[in-house]
Amino acid sequence: DIVMTQSPVSLPVNPGEPASISCRSSQSLHINGYKKLDWYLQKPGQSPQLLIYLGSNRASGVPDRFSGSGSGTDFILKISRVEAEDVGVYYCMQTQEAPYTFGQGTNLEIK
Amino acid sequence: QVQLQESGPGLVKPSETLSLTCSVSGDSFSSYVWNWLRQPPGKGLEWIGHIYHSNINYNASLRSRATLSVDTSQSRFSLKLTSVTAADTAVYYCARDGGQVGTTTYFDYWGQGALVTVSS
Repeated sequence: DIVMTQSPVSLPVNPGEPASISCRSSQSLHINGYKKLDWYLQKPGQSPQLLIYLGSNRASGVPDRFSGSGSGTDFILKISRVEAEDVGVYYCMQTQEAPYTFGQGTNLEIK
Repeated sequence: QVQLQESGPGLVKPSETLSLTCSVSGDSFSSYVWNWLRQPPGKGLEWIGHIYHSNINYNASLRSRATLSVDTSQSRFSLKLTSVTAADTAVYYCARDGGQVGTTTYFDYWGQGALVTVSS
């Protein structure tokens, strides 16, 4: 199975400040022009919601302060200015091959 | 608006079979790949498997205990997990794969989740 490693595990951020989450995979997620890496946010008490798909595409309704980048085995989720509603656990997930696997999660909290 | 809703018993005895159904409304059911995932309390997410018509793929970690099925006429799909133990206690989610079938995958719609506790 492809192993996904996120960092940091915990991310305290001041409102209005930028934030960045790293996701590394044990093998390349770049195939046929696609980057098989998605980002999800699980807000407290809710189901996960899709933020970014195929490495850098914002899902419908996702604010443009969220952006995804990277290639190969290294990917980053950036929030340009953190807002209170962004708190929760962020997960990266690879869809390069089944079984699809997730990072362990990054808990973003407001300072 | 696409909606997914999990249903099934919230309590299952050890060694018995967990059964859940996901009912889908609001879109063309037969055009998508449908998924099951789970999340043990306080832990991360695990993909269980997906189904697209008769094509099914499972996470081998479940050691052949999982069975997915689909009822296209009713726009719903189901999960059965046999020989459950306390380690199978989790919130179970169903999710739609909004990607291009066979090419890309991302879960754009999720159910609210169903907590299943395995206990005698």
